[in-house]
Amino acid sequence: SQKIEQNSEALNIQEGKTATLTCNYTNYSPAYLQWYRQDPGRGPVFLLLIRENEKEKRKERLKVTFDTTLKQSLFHITASQPADSATYLCALGSNYGQNFVFGPGTRLSVLP
Amino acid sequence: DTGVSQNPRHKITKRGQNVTFRCDPISEHNRLYWYRQTLGQGPEFLTYFQNEAQLEKSRLLSDRFSAERPKGSFSTLEIQRTEQGDSAMYLCASSFGRPGDYGYTFGSGTRLTVV
Repeated sequence: SQKIEQNSEALNIQEGKTATLTCNYTNYSPAYLQWYRQDPGRGPVFLLLIRENEKEKRKERLKVTFDTTLKQSLFHITASQPADSATYLCALGSNYGQNFVFGPGTRLSVLP
Repeated sequence: DTGVSQNPRHKITKRGQNVTFRCDPISEHNRLYWYRQTLGQGPEFLTYFQNEAQLEKSRLLSDRFSAERPKGSFSTLEIQRTEQGDSAMYLCASSFGRPGDYGYTFGSGTRLTVV
């Protein structure tokens, strides 16, 4: 069955450092991979999308890579700030279905 | 337009009661989705509408669950004869076109507690 794993449950880093979050998947061939941010008690907020034929995408301090051979995506936040503290979810989608399959999320804490 | 709106934000109900949640998507978005999220997990897909047509349903959506989207605008999700296992955050999302191209816009969710 399809399985998505993300880092450990929680990641603590110092302010100013680069946070790297991992999304690994098995038994799936996604056409799209998305990253969302979720704050406590709120719905996820869309951050970035990367397609299977793209290696890397950037948006401001965010960078996503997608390696379909390793079945892995890496999500980087450079120059991290305490305001970046949240849970980050990866989500995989195909060209055929309308819904995305979400990973369990990684809770990031950026310490001042 | 202030985004996807969900009501109520919180609902506490006794086991066996029926509950109904409402979602108002972004007006330009023709696609609407319901997801369920439990603590420490990512959202799980329940069902999808394109305009007023319900085009996809997850096996998670038992016979006690029903969703509607009359006139292709707002949507309701009803749970009949609630069970404690139904306790979760119910999230509504909408998209303009395929979510693979633009991503979902989620609402803040309705947190259901069944006691």
